[in-house]
Amino acid sequence: QQQVKQSPQSLIVQKGGISIINCAYENTAFDYFPWYQQFPGKGPALLIAIRPDVSEKKEGRFTISFNKSAKQFSLHIMDSQPGDSATYFCAASIGNFGNEKLTFGTGTRLTIIP
Amino acid sequence: DTEVTQTPKHLVMGMTNKKSLKCEQHMGHRAMYWYKQKAKKPPELMFVYSYEKLSINESVPSRFSPECPNSSLLNLHLHALQPEDSALYLCASSPGTAAGNYEQYFGPGTRLTVT
Repeated sequence: QQQVKQSPQSLIVQKGGISIINCAYENTAFDYFPWYQQFPGKGPALLIAIRPDVSEKKEGRFTISFNKSAKQFSLHIMDSQPGDSATYFCAASIGNFGNEKLTFGTGTRLTIIP
Repeated sequence: DTEVTQTPKHLVMGMTNKKSLKCEQHMGHRAMYWYKQKAKKPPELMFVYSYEKLSINESVPSRFSPECPNSSLLNLHLHALQPEDSALYLCASSPGTAAGNYEQYFGPGTRLTVT
């Protein structure tokens, strides 16, 4: 019930294309869904996050689409650039007054080719 | 500023050594976390401190001992580690649910190698 399933495991996209990463969850108590970007040897960086009362959130080239009924959410990277090449993790958590636990997906290694 | 700092960046220790990892944030966040991350895997939660009190211990072996001396600092004391404990150790902080915001911000991590 605590799992977050992420796909694909790896993704190759041409420069300028759209990168799409999908996640699905089971626990309907999750109320916060962030995406993290991680470069090799670095800590994860918070990219964008969404709450279940919103179906879409856009920040620059990054958009989260959220489908509450399907219990799915996805990250879209528009006009993908070589600098976007990194590992992306989706996550989910429940606000629990100091006991927030991020449940991570397994990660997607994104490679943007020229 | 959403910076979490961690020292050292790299640490090599023998199985009989005692060492400590340090984490600091000056964002006024009231929740702090330790995660362990193995190569090509997502971070795994180890401990959560909320308002300087340990609120979650994910059944971590006692050779890992966390400490929160004040609201800005978090330590992880290491003793008698095993080679399989080699990993990237990440610290994170968040304002906490009480603040209506539980975005977690990660530090750069400490790369630990146990020989």
